[in-house]
Amino acid sequence: KNQVEQSPQSLIILEGKNCTLQCNYTVSPFSNLRWYKQDTGRGPVSLTIMTFSENTKSNGRYTATLDADTKQSSLHITASQLSDSASYICVVREDDKIIFGKGTRLHILP
Amino acid sequence: DAGVTQSPTHLIKTRGQQVTLRCSPISGHKSVSWYQQVLGQGPQFIFQYYEKEERGRGNFPDRFSARQFPNYSSELNVNALLLGDSALYLCASSLVSYNEQFFGPGTRLTVL
Repeated sequence: KNQVEQSPQSLIILEGKNCTLQCNYTVSPFSNLRWYKQDTGRGPVSLTIMTFSENTKSNGRYTATLDADTKQSSLHITASQLSDSASYICVVREDDKIIFGKGTRLHILP
Repeated sequence: DAGVTQSPTHLIKTRGQQVTLRCSPISGHKSVSWYQQVLGQGPQFIFQYYEKEERGRGNFPDRFSARQFPNYSSELNVNALLLGDSALYLCASSLVSYNEQFFGPGTRLTVL
């Protein structure tokens, strides 16, 4: 069983709308959680990183939240743009291991 | 400053062949990690090298091997290719730890 679960698996929204992606993890002990954006056929690019003591982190239109008690994180995208179409991957670090979620595929329609 | 570079960008091989993928980390980064990403899945950890020594290994068969050179560049070798080895192979570099990993564009390997 994957220790990092993401939902939904895919999402389609209209340009300009907001959306929220979810990440649940069972990794313990927890070091940090990072959200990556991956365009098709390209390497992932880091959006945000949060440690145990942080519960929100913003990067432009991207805002990540973390609840370390419930082991849940979300990535909120505001005023979506066509260029936001990509996979969004949640990655959790457990001491010396890095565990990737399978990602959420986001499609933005004009 | 250049980011992580990988070569080649695309590669087509047949079953049973061997392949070598190359990665150059960001200047000053001493750690390189390799990941395999099958279509529709998240990256799976293969190896991590730091200061030319293997520091971590994922759940991959012995057909997969890697090394890191004195200039911190790295090669990933895969022997006796199988159809299931078809994937995007990602290289990530970091200064000294996993905290700040920067990914390259990947090498798309297709095994026919």
